[in-house]
Amino acid sequence: LAKTTQPISMDSYEGQEVNITCSHNNIATNDYITWYQQFPSQGPRFIIQGYKTKVTNEVASLFIPADRKSSTLSLPRVSLSDTAVYYCLVGDKGTGRRALTFGSGTRLQVQP
Amino acid sequence: DTGVSQDPRHKITKRGQNVTFRCDPISEHNRLYWYRQTLGQGPEFLTYFQNEAQLEKSRLLSDRFSAERPKGSFSTLEIQRTEQGDSAMYLCASTGSASYNEQFFGPGTRLTVL
Repeated sequence: LAKTTQPISMDSYEGQEVNITCSHNNIATNDYITWYQQFPSQGPRFIIQGYKTKVTNEVASLFIPADRKSSTLSLPRVSLSDTAVYYCLVGDKGTGRRALTFGSGTRLQVQP
Repeated sequence: DTGVSQDPRHKITKRGQNVTFRCDPISEHNRLYWYRQTLGQGPEFLTYFQNEAQLEKSRLLSDRFSAERPKGSFSTLEIQRTEQGDSAMYLCASTGSASYNEQFFGPGTRLTVL
């Protein structure tokens, strides 16, 4: 399994754009990059998934360079409600390992 | 609300007692997972079902832990002879066949063993 490395914590202010970078140097050809968000006392919630280049949805954007050894989750104009732990995961979404492997995540604190 | 429910949300028990948790996944999802999460850590995989078959178990799942998914619908996780080290949040997740990486998590059951 490809190991991921991401910052332990980040601080931001309301209205700013937040970029969380994840390193996954040993990513395999069939691996996808997936991000989850977790609020206190709740289960993780799927945010976004991508394979290469850029993916955007209503919540976030995911930037993946050509070598795929890293990825950046971008949260536009964060609010207080974006304070959460963000997990970067790498894995085969098809027939590979079926369980998700979480690291310790990045704790994002958004200040007013 | 992801559509995955867990019961109870909180459980306090004394060491040595047995506890059972229930998970109701999204009805059309054939894959169901159990994870355990301790404070400050990400969830850790415990076990996985495809329909009613338990296909994978983590080494974290000691002999005191058993999980079932009769008829491929809801699932139960039982812990026998609980220990203080079992105190954690127990999370259930389900997914369909589109992408194993997009799992829908329930709110979890927080277990406290005194």
